Order: sequence, then C-alpha cells, then structure tokens
Amino acid sequence: DIVMTQSPRTLPVTPGEPASISCRSSQSLLHSSGYIYLDWYLQKPGQSPQLLIYLTSNRASGVPDRFSGSGSGTDFTLKISRVEAEDVGIYYCMQALQLPPAFGQGTKVEIK
Amino acid sequence: EVQLVESGGTLVQPGGSLKLACAASGFDLSGSAVHWVRQAPGKGLEWVGRIRSKANNYAPVYAESLKGRFTISRDDSNNSAFLQMNSLKTDDTAVYYCYIRATVDGHFSGVVYWGQGTLVSVSS
Repeated sequence: DIVMTQSPRTLPVTPGEPASISCRSSQSLLHSSGYIYLDWYLQKPGQSPQLLIYLTSNRASGVPDRFSGSGSGTDFTLKISRVEAEDVGIYYCMQALQLPPAFGQGTKVEIK
Repeated sequence: EVQLVESGGTLVQPGGSLKLACAASGFDLSGSAVHWVRQAPGKGLEWVGRIRSKANNYAPVYAESLKGRFTISRDDSNNSAFLQMNSLKTDDTAVYYCYIRATVDGHFSGVVYWGQGTLVSVSS
C-alpha cells in the first residue's frame, strides 16, 4: 500500500503571508496516462473535507487562485500565496492512483 | 444541488452491528463508485472501502484491517449505498463519510461529492 507523509503537522500562519505544506508518497503517483493522482483536501472545523486541488495542480471549481499545487512523482506541495482567516482547518493530501486510497496525516493550519 | 446524506449512525455496544446509508439527491449514483471514509474523534481520515457501479460488476474493495467485518452494498433504484458493520469494536467509533469522485466518460471530472457524515459510537 502507498503511504502518504505530510509536514508540518501544525502550521501557524499570519494573514496575508504565504504558507506551504509538503506531502510525500512512498511510491510514484504517476499514472500511465501521464497524470499524477494526488489530491489536496481542506477540512474546515465541523465540516466534511472539500476538494481543493486534483491531479496535483488543478484547482477544483470555486477554489480561490491563491491556492496552488505542484509536484512530481513522489514529492508534492500545496501553497497558499496569501493566507486568509477562512483558510484555517486541516489540510490532507490523498493518493488516488491505486487502492486503497491513502490520506496524509493532515496539517493543521491556524492563525498566529 | 447535489447532496449526499449519510444516516444510521448511533450508539451501539461492542460486538453489535449497524448499517449506514448514503443517499444521493441531485445526482445519479448508478454510474459512480461510492467510497466510505471514517474519522475517529480528533484523528485523520481513514479509507474504509468502495463499491463500483453495475457496469463494473458492483466490485467491492475494503481496507485490509476491516475485511470480513464491513460490507458495502448499493441500491441504484433508490440512489443509495450502504455500509454494513458487524462485530463492532470501540476502535470503530468515528464519523463515517461517503464520497463520490464524479466522472465524465469514465474520466475523473475534478468534482468530489462528500456527505456530512454520521457518527457511530461503540461503547458499553
């Protein structure tokens, strides 16, 4: 099974400043199609997870352009160009390449 | 508006059974695989299993640690999927979510629908 590892576990941020979360997979997430099957989710307090980024770098519908995803193979990054107060919550990366899907442990983003 | 609504969560004793439902509205569930994920209190997300569509023979797959105790089924005529949980343990206490990765012509569309979750508490 593929194991997903995120860092940091907690990320204190200042509104208006950038933030970055890393995710590493134990195997390459590159599909034969050329797509890399890595998603990013945000779970706001008391809510279900919501898709932010899919296939490594594609923003889901309605996601602000301050969110961006990048990476290749086994190393991935989610960046927030300018953090806003509404961005607090727990961010998860997830591999969707093969069963079982696997989530990272989560990164809790909180305002300083 | 697309909605997934889970139901059936409650307090159950260790060793007991429970069946959760995931009902879809505004979306035809029949062509999609339905996944279940759980989240223990204060913990991260754990994938439970999934059932594929009729076109893919309703093939189920489960997390290895849950195999034999949990069973996923579906009723496309009622736009619903189910999670049957047997021999429940205190460690099964969690919020259970269903989700669907929507596809177009067999390819992921970039849309994932999640339910709001239903709480299962296993305790004596």
